[in-house]
Order: sequence, then C-alpha cells, then structure tokens
Amino acid sequence: SAVISQKPSRDICQRGTSLTIQCQVDSQVTMMFWYRQQPGQSLTLIATANQGSEATYESGFVIDKFPISRPNLTFSTLTVSNMSPEDSSIYLCSVDRAYNEQFFGPGTRLTVL
Amino acid sequence: GESVGLHLPTLSVQEGDNSIINCAYSNSASDYFIWYKQESGKGPQFIIDIRSNMDKRQGQRVTVLLNKTVKHLSLQIAATQPGDSAVYFCAERAGNTGKLIFGQGTTLQVKP
Repeated sequence: SAVISQKPSRDICQRGTSLTIQCQVDSQVTMMFWYRQQPGQSLTLIATANQGSEATYESGFVIDKFPISRPNLTFSTLTVSNMSPEDSSIYLCSVDRAYNEQFFGPGTRLTVL
Repeated sequence: GESVGLHLPTLSVQEGDNSIINCAYSNSASDYFIWYKQESGKGPQFIIDIRSNMDKRQGQRVTVLLNKTVKHLSLQIAATQPGDSAVYFCAERAGNTGKLIFGQGTTLQVKP
C-alpha cells in the first residue's frame, strides 16, 4: 500500500476565496488523481494529475476552477478557486501504482460559508 | 454513458451474520473492479479487487464475485462485526487510464 497524507484535513472558508490542498505520497507513483465527494454522495473524479504536464480534467471540471500542480512523482496540489457554498465537499487524492490497486488519502473536508 | 450502481442504499445485519452487498455496472469493457470501505470521517479504504478474467476472489472474511454475463459484482462479508459498519463502494475501471467510476454506495449497519 501507499501512505498518503493531505493538508489541510479540514477548513472553513469564506465565499470568493481560494484554498490549496496538498497531497503527499511516501513513494514515487505514476498516477495521481483528485476526487470530490459531496455530502452523502459517492466519489466523482475531478482530474488526473500528470507529472510534468497539464492535468487532464473530467467533464464538468475546468482548470480555472480547479487548477492542479504535479511538480514531482510524490506530490500534487489541488486549488479550489473562487469558492461558493456548492464547493463544500470532501476532496480526496488517490494514487495508482502501475495499474495496481488505487489508494486514497484521508481527504480534506471543506466547508464554504 | 457509463454507470455503476448499487441495488440497496442501506443494509442492516445482525452481528455474526453474513453480509452481501451488490453492485451493477454497465460498461462491458471494464476489466478491473475494486471494493472500498469508507468509515465516517475517513478516506476510502481498499478492501479487495478482482480482474475481469476471474469470477471469484477471496480475502480475509471477504469474497468478491463477478458475473460478467449480467454485469454484476458482489461483496460478501462473513461473520459481520460492528467494525464492519461503514459505507461500501464498488468501483470499475476500463482501460489503462487508471480512472475509477464509483457506484453510489451502500451503508452497512451491524446490529449487536
């Protein structure tokens, strides 16, 4: 398995502000992903964080709203920009080693007022 | 479009009984499936996986069954314990992009 940490674990933010979430893995991984889990819902993939290139976004998610960085094989950030209450969710990063099991971080619980 | 769904949103079982959580998927090209357990306030925890070239896989107290004919996946938990209470998600993957599509989740409640 992989040890994955996320910062912050939770935050309460004001409407219109931005929050950057960090994801750190204890070893190099090929694929990193960002998911959103709205209250009481399942997980929805936001984007694939590609090392050395721009992230690949899923339908309904755009770079201006969710810019992503992946500077190396162990770290990624997701920014939630210009937040509104609808952005209140759990944001999760996950890693996938060479088409094997995919492991998730503990999540960042975001509340937007 | 592709979708993965669960038959029951909530399952309540007596401690010690066996639990069966079901999942239907629609993408016949999916070749890899995972079951996750999510406890309150935590990220999803990998339980067991199965590839499409298998029908059954067993772990410790858990068994996953895959029926490709009817595109159905199930998770069986033997001798269910209070610590098994959580939300369970199935997820499918098609191709080598690594992207997972998740089902809606089933809440498992274990009664003492």
